[in-house]
Amino acid sequence: GAGVSQSPSNKVTEKGKDVELRCDPISGHTALYWYRQSLGQGLEFLIYFQGNSAPDKSGLPSDRFSAERTGGSVSTLTIQRTQQEDSAVYLCASSPPGGRNIQYFGAGTRLSVL
Amino acid sequence: KQEVTQIPAALSVPEGENLVLNCSFTDSAIYNLQWFRQDPGKGLTSLLLIQSSQREQTSGRLNASLDKSSGRSTLYIAASQPGDSATYLCAVEGPGANSKLTFGKGITLSVRP
Repeated sequence: GAGVSQSPSNKVTEKGKDVELRCDPISGHTALYWYRQSLGQGLEFLIYFQGNSAPDKSGLPSDRFSAERTGGSVSTLTIQRTQQEDSAVYLCASSPPGGRNIQYFGAGTRLSVL
Repeated sequence: KQEVTQIPAALSVPEGENLVLNCSFTDSAIYNLQWFRQDPGKGLTSLLLIQSSQREQTSGRLNASLDKSSGRSTLYIAASQPGDSATYLCAVEGPGANSKLTFGKGITLSVRP
């Protein structure tokens, strides 16, 4: 079956512009995660959605970052007024219901802020 | 705050060698530990997941062990092949309720033909 799909695969933007990154989780998966992978920093947790519960936003680095998940499926990560330090690969993962399970990752969106 | 360490950052071995990748974490109150593989420009592929109550998991030439009390895990790769060249990431879930993973920075493995 289809895996986690992320779009676009690459995004180049100018400093100060807003960007939207999209994640389509695996059908039926109730949990969705966003992570950021920066050069030299490793993978960092950003935000977590579980079903209809309020999201855990504890990993978002600033108020320029926000995310939403519509209808319990597709999620959009929005970065406003992008800065050069936002350049990274943004990875989305989903996992099925029923406890602590393997997280399945998408291929990521590589964001470059010029 | 949970911290995950993987040392060394890079490793180069000849084909056929058995090798061990190490991972350590600071807070033993974890729910599980996962090993992932990442190829250049690609996402992460889960290799093995070890629940906190388990000691090891095996899949083909891969064996992962977990010593929760000492905060350590190892990934054993038997008879390495050039196709095993990739970055291997260790991640723990917990403590905390939100299921987020805390990752190490990974070990970049190169298997020479």
